Order: sequence, then structure tokens, then C-alpha cells
Amino acid sequence: AQSVTQLGSHVSVSEGALVLLRCNYSSSVPPYLFWYVQYPNQGLQLLLKYTSAATLVKGINGFEAEFKKSETSFHLTKPSAHMSDAAEYFCAVSDSSGNKLVFGAGTILRVKS
Amino acid sequence: DTEVTQTPKHLVMGMTNKKSLKCEQHMGHRAMYWYKQKAKKPPELMFVYSYEKLSINESVPSRFSPECPNSSLLNLHLHALQPEDSALYLCASSQERQGKHEQYFGPGTRLTVT
Repeated sequence: AQSVTQLGSHVSVSEGALVLLRCNYSSSVPPYLFWYVQYPNQGLQLLLKYTSAATLVKGINGFEAEFKKSETSFHLTKPSAHMSDAAEYFCAVSDSSGNKLVFGAGTILRVKS
Repeated sequence: DTEVTQTPKHLVMGMTNKKSLKCEQHMGHRAMYWYKQKAKKPPELMFVYSYEKLSINESVPSRFSPECPNSSLLNLHLHALQPEDSALYLCASSQERQGKHEQYFGPGTRLTVT
């Protein structure tokens, strides 16, 4: 079965600092990996996806993630945090069918001014 | 356009009520999903419809009854719910094409069962 583990339920950074949210996956087949963001009382918004085309994936709002097979990781980064980035971030994995999306527990990002 | 709409935004219902949640997308997606999200938890898959047919039911109690009238619409019929069913119910859709599996989510319906 596929799964993802997000390290750190809460991450706090200063405005302008690097954002690093960690995600490790477990999959017996080449995975599809995703990062979603959820603002309070809203649905999930897709930030970026990995589908084996390129290991460095660029997403919306300045976020990017790098797929590292040797480390089974797909960490999310942003060079400079903005106050508007404060939200909950979910890493997710699916198999080749794409129908069964399995989410990590989520990481709440706090941005301090 | 990557919009999935859900109605209502909020719903309060008693345990003996019957209500329905509605989801709509006009992106031509052929897969649609219902998720349940409890507070401070990730979304949990409930149902998947592929080409208007139910393809996955994650052992959801029968008091939740999904329906896919056409390729753009997805309903979730609710009957005799319990207070523990209170949650955010999210709808999502995706293409059924290799490499295009990303799911697009609606804003959700916040359900409270009293």
C-alpha cells in the first residue's frame, strides 16, 4: 500500500525566510506525488504534482518540490515566505490509476512577521 | 477553468433528516470523488465515480448514498446521520488520462449533525 509521511505537524518561519516542508513516500510502484494547500474553512488547492517527467517540479505561488528516489522524498520548498503562505499543507500519493489519493497528516505553516 | 462548485456551503441537520450535498464541475472530467475531512485531519476518501459508475466505495455506512446523474454532477444523499458524521465534505474531480491524475477540489460543505 502506498503512504506518505509528513515530518513536523507544525512549522514556523519568519517572513522572507526559506520554507521547507518534508514529505517521504512509500510506494512499491513509481508514484504520482502531489502537494496541496488548504486555507482555513476552504477546500484543497493543488500546488504542484510529480508524474515522472522531471524531478524538480515548479508549482504555483513560488513553490517547488524535488523528487528524490534514493531518499524516497518529495520535500516542498519556497525561497522566501510570505504572510499569505500561512496555511495547512498536505503531501499526497496515488498509484497509476490516480483514483486512490492517500494524504499525509498535514503540516501547518505559520509565518511570523 | 479548474473550478469545482459545491452546495450548500453550510448544512445543519437533525439525525432524522434527509438532505443532499451537490457537486458540479464543467471541466470535462470523468472521475469524481467524495471525501470526508474531520477537524485537524487529512481528507479521507469515501467514494469514486469513474465514467458515471461507482468504482470505489471505501466501506462507507449506508446512511451516505452517492449518486452521479451525469458526467458533471455528483450528489451525496444523507439520511439518519450521527453527530460523529459532522465534518467538512469535499468533492473533487480529475481526468481519466495517464499523467493527468491531479484532483481538483471544491470548497466543501461544512456539515453539522445535531
